[in-house]
Amino acid sequence: DVKVTQSSRYLVKRTGEKVFLECVQDMDHENMFWYRQDPGLGLRLIYFSYDVKMKEKGDIPEGYSVSREKKERFSLILESASTNQTSMYLCASSLWTQGLNINYGYTFGSGTRLTVV
Amino acid sequence: DAKTTQPNSMESNEEEPVHLPCNHSTISGTDYIHWYRQLPSQGPEYVIHGLTSNVNNRMASLAIAEDRKSSTLILHRATLRDAAVYYCILAIEDSNYQLIWGAGTKLIIKP
Repeated sequence: DVKVTQSSRYLVKRTGEKVFLECVQDMDHENMFWYRQDPGLGLRLIYFSYDVKMKEKGDIPEGYSVSREKKERFSLILESASTNQTSMYLCASSLWTQGLNINYGYTFGSGTRLTVV
Repeated sequence: DAKTTQPNSMESNEEEPVHLPCNHSTISGTDYIHWYRQLPSQGPEYVIHGLTSNVNNRMASLAIAEDRKSSTLILHRATLRDAAVYYCILAIEDSNYQLIWGAGTKLIIKP
């Protein structure tokens, strides 16, 4: 069964800490995405990557950075965690087509619920 | 800006068909219609997508209006495991086909 695996289901971090969220996919997908999901706001795109070492900002990149050193792994980094970054973080991947996702769906991980205290 | 309009919630009885509506009046000719669902405490799951023609797969059917300004996701025989939030999403060419997520429809299945 194909999978997107997020390293942690739950995380609690302190304000100001540097936080790493890891995502690994085993489908040889080119595209990978990081979203956050908040009640009433839906899913919002933070960053995405369509190739190794490539990254593009999504709708809410402030306070975040990403790293994609290998095709299967996409990391989200909170440089200095703040309480307003408490959220559910979702990683996804998809095959590349002429656009990001014309003919293929996204496969999502189960999410990481991050609490910053 | 979600670009789609869905009812906040719907109820249906188990083992009956469910029709989930979605309006997307601003759709353009090259935009795709995607549907995902999210079960409690899980990430979203791809259901189906289409461009102009109706589509069927093992999970559901997608009926697209002739003018493409609306679509309907059809679950042919709902089970309790189909209780989820269903998202209708446009993959828009101008945004490089990124998915713009709205609030979705919470589907409640009654036994």
